[in-house]
Amino acid sequence: DSGVTQTPKHLITATGQRVTLRCSPRSGDLSVYWYQQSLDQGLQFLIQYYNGEERAKGNILERFSAQQFPDLHSELNLSSLELGDSALYFCASGWGQPNNEQFFGPGTRLTVL
Amino acid sequence: QKEVEQDPGPLSVPEGAIVSLNCTYSNSAFQYFMWYRQYSRKGPELLMYTYSSGNKEDGRFTAQVDKSSKYISLFIRDSQPSDSATYLCAMRETGNQFYFGTGTSLTVIP
Repeated sequence: DSGVTQTPKHLITATGQRVTLRCSPRSGDLSVYWYQQSLDQGLQFLIQYYNGEERAKGNILERFSAQQFPDLHSELNLSSLELGDSALYFCASGWGQPNNEQFFGPGTRLTVL
Repeated sequence: QKEVEQDPGPLSVPEGAIVSLNCTYSNSAFQYFMWYRQYSRKGPELLMYTYSSGNKEDGRFTAQVDKSSKYISLFIRDSQPSDSATYLCAMRETGNQFYFGTGTSLTVIP
């Protein structure tokens, strides 16, 4: 158990809908990273937050947004969902410095029908 | 061309075999190289972390980085059934964005 929690574990929704994925980092970690993992693309970095502020941005679509709250938990919002958004979404946490390890949560499996 | 290329396998070996997993990359600015292990339905966990070129050993695991060839490897000695998992390579420049390979699925047969 990495100490990172993600809810929900599974999410099934329809195209065009909006969903929110939640992540609670390990105690003491200031940084949260979001990743998307699909079979054909592998693990893709989406975005990083550090102590409430956006730190780095990867291949995140404009339909997706994230935020980190004062208690350091983070939410990833996915809107106007498409079939291709079906994937595993992982959250990782760490101290936020590049040399520090990222600890991954168990992931949220999103299925868009 | 993807930033990081990794053969997806699957790779199947008998228990006790030496396993070699590899990734190639195109960005010569990558300086930090990592290997993660991911069990089915779990998040990735860090196995090895290497800076720049060279070798690093940790128990049965050895990571090698050849920056001149843009090639990294992970060797697993005396492989065990518990090593059966997907292995992801990852790398980054000096910033915070990590680039992952698609993963190699490994099965160690008792």
